[in-house]
Amino acid sequence: NAGVMQNPRHLVRRRGQEARLRCSPMKGHSHVYWYRQLPEEGLKFMVYLQKENIIDESGMPKERFSAEFPKEGPSILRIQQVVRGDSAAYFCASSQGQPRNTEAFFGQGTRLTVV
Amino acid sequence: GNSVTQMEGPVTLSEEAFLTINCTYTATGYPSLFWYVQYPGEGLQLLLKATKADDKGSNKGFEATYRKETTSFHLEKGSVQVSDSAVYFCAPGNEKLTFGTGTRLTIIP
Repeated sequence: NAGVMQNPRHLVRRRGQEARLRCSPMKGHSHVYWYRQLPEEGLKFMVYLQKENIIDESGMPKERFSAEFPKEGPSILRIQQVVRGDSAAYFCASSQGQPRNTEAFFGQGTRLTVV
Repeated sequence: GNSVTQMEGPVTLSEEAFLTINCTYTATGYPSLFWYVQYPGEGLQLLLKATKADDKGSNKGFEATYRKETTSFHLEKGSVQVSDSAVYFCAPGNEKLTFGTGTRLTIIP
């Protein structure tokens, strides 16, 4: 059973371009979470999705950022018109059940650099 | 929602020292409690968990006991190694899987 797969591992974008980050959860997991981490800082929650539904997006910036988890295929975090401040590591996690009592499994992250 | 207060870092210890990282939580009801660890350049991974009061989670020499009376879940290890250098996150199960800032631990030979 493969772990949570994120790709690409490293992504370089010029200011104004779009960044698409992909996350394939573990097999059988229907709950997906996205986080952003700056160097030497903790994980900042962005969004929680459960197959085709956004459960909580309270950590997502209101503009330029969107996330989806379609019925088929990976979850996608999309950042439009990237700016230098978007440079960070973005982590995805998945769980089989509700986060209150179920452990989560993390991917290796995508390191986005905006030049 | 549930939240956590975790010992601030960074923490620096010598190899073979005793480790305690304090964690107290606020929670609705009695959720599971987790410790996650993040090694350099990697995502978080579960270190240990406890699902109910008085449960002790353990893994790789680390232990933590779910204390309902003191709402605590302190992480301990009797003899740390250089390879334990990482960032440690305490997390009560909650509605959307959020974490605190973590505690950075550095073990020096």
